[in-house]
Amino acid sequence: GAGVSQTPSNKVTEKGKYVELRCDPISGHTALYWYRQSLGQGPEFLIYFQGTGAADDSGLPNDRFFAVRPEGSVSTLKIQRTERGDSAVYLCASSIRGATSNEQFFGPGTRLTVL
Amino acid sequence: GDSVTQMEGPVTLSEEAFLTINCTYTATGYPSLFWYVQYPGEGLQLLLKATKADDKGSNKGFEATYRKETTSFHLEKGSVQVSDSAVYFCALSEGETSGSRLTFGEGTQLTVNP
Repeated sequence: GAGVSQTPSNKVTEKGKYVELRCDPISGHTALYWYRQSLGQGPEFLIYFQGTGAADDSGLPNDRFFAVRPEGSVSTLKIQRTERGDSAVYLCASSIRGATSNEQFFGPGTRLTVL
Repeated sequence: GDSVTQMEGPVTLSEEAFLTINCTYTATGYPSLFWYVQYPGEGLQLLLKATKADDKGSNKGFEATYRKETTSFHLEKGSVQVSDSAVYFCALSEGETSGSRLTFGEGTQLTVNP
């Protein structure tokens, strides 16, 4: 079956611009996560959705970052006034609520470059 | 807070060599432990997992045992192949059920030469 998909695969933008990154989770997965992976580092948690609501947004670095999941499926990560330090690979993952172990399935990521 | 520490890389081995990648963790509760792998040009994939102390996770010839007394989850493989070349990430999650964030280590780059 289809896995987690993310679009675009690459995004180049200029400092100060607004960007949106999209995630399509595995069908039927109610939990959705966003992570950010900087070069040479492990992924860092940003935000977690259970259904339509953000259950944990404690990983968002500041108020320039925002994410939505209006219908409980597709999610969009929004970054305002981008800065060069936002350059990273943004990963999305989904999982089934109530699984006996927290197995998260990852998408291929969106590589964001802020010039 | 929670944290995961992996051995520094990169690691370069010859085919059929024995592999160990060390991983230790700090957590407030009783986490589940994971190894994820990232092959070149691909997304993160779950390699193996263990949800309680003394559990052994295994997959594709890789093994790791959840050691609560040493807070470790070292990854081992008896005979590596060129196709095992990838970046390996150790991770933990505080909850057993879906809904808990993953905390990752920095990753260990493994290169296996023929």
